[in-house]
Formats: sequence, C-alpha cells, structure tokens
Amino acid sequence: GAVVSQHPSRVICKSGTSVKIECRSLDFQATTMFWYRQFPKKSLMLMATSNEGSKATYEQGVEKDKFLINHASLTLSTLTVTSAHPEDSSFYICSVAGGGNQPQHFGDGTRLSIL
Amino acid sequence: SQQGEEDPQALSIQEGENATMNCSYKTSINNLQWYRQNSGRGLVHLILIRSNEREKHSGRLRVTLDTSKKSSSLLITASRAADTASYFCATDLTDKLIFGTGTRLQVFP
Repeated sequence: GAVVSQHPSRVICKSGTSVKIECRSLDFQATTMFWYRQFPKKSLMLMATSNEGSKATYEQGVEKDKFLINHASLTLSTLTVTSAHPEDSSFYICSVAGGGNQPQHFGDGTRLSIL
Repeated sequence: SQQGEEDPQALSIQEGENATMNCSYKTSINNLQWYRQNSGRGLVHLILIRSNEREKHSGRLRVTLDTSKKSSSLLITASRAADTASYFCATDLTDKLIFGTGTRLQVFP
C-alpha cells in the first residue's frame, strides 16, 4: 500500500500565526488526498477532499478561507491553517485515496497547538 | 450527522480473551472498513469488506457485515496487550470515508 508522510508531527505556535502542514505520498501517485480533523478521544471528521490540479472540495461547515488546501503535484498536498486561534488546536490527519474498493492510507498526523 | 455509531465506547479485557466491537451506519455503502489507531498516531487499515460480502477473516480478525441492518462487527480473537488501541469503522460510498465514533480497547497483560 501507499506510504504517506505527514510533516510536521507537532507544532506549537502563537495565536494569529499561519501554519502549513504537508502530506506526501512517497510511492504512489495520488490524484486525491483527504484531510481530517480529530478532537481528543473523538472520531475523525472529514474536512476536505484535495484534488490534484484543481480546487479542493470542502465539507459543510469547514471554512475554505481558513483552511487553505493546495494539491499542486501528484505527491504533495498542503493544508494551511490561516491566522490560527486556540480553537483550531486539534490533530490533523491526511490520507491518500486508494481508488475503487481500496482502503485509504493515512499519514501519522500533526498535532497543532495554538497558544 | 451521517456519522456511524460504535459500541461499546470502551472495552477492557484480559490478554487471551476475545474482543467484539459493533458498528452501525446510516447510508448505503460500497464497502465498510475497519481501522486501528494507536494513541496520537495515524490510522492503520485492518480489513475491508465489500457490500456484497457477509464475512471476512484476516489473521485474528473476523469482520461481519449485515447490510439489511446496516451494521458490522469486528472480532479480535486471543487478544494481546499490543492490541490496545482505538478501533474505528468507516463506510465508503463515494470514496469518502465516514467514520464511526470508535471503540477504545484496553488489553491487560
């Protein structure tokens, strides 16, 4: 299966800072990637679907101007949390679509803490 | 919300015992998947069962699917301390996954 690398694994920054999270597919050309958010001891909630070469598709209730997604190549999608505030603190996880009846492959997640 | 429900929310057992987790969902599906998550980590895919399948095995894992009841179960046999993790079901209709609420499994040595 695909190997997915997510970076950074942890970031702590001040309120108002913009934070970029990278998701790389190391051995698989990923036309579609997904970004999830997970609160402590909760399930994963899909934020958006990242499509290579086109605009991301955001789930209802997710602010696209707040969570900027760029998928400029078949191996890299980035999520930028703009002007982050403490309520944006969360665990963010990306995945690569397997296609058809295939599982997704997940990165190890990024723990974002906004002070 | 279309999110699935899992029960129990938490399960504590001794090594060697079996662990059963149940998942109910709300929509039609192409397949249902089970994932495992160690604390603070990403998800690891365990098993995928297609909508036209009723049971699937992989090592110590057994998954059943009842599409008429919109439910699935994951059985881990002869559990080990290393099985301690959170387990999530996820339904797939349009290549987007809808995750269940998860079961936190604790296996005591």
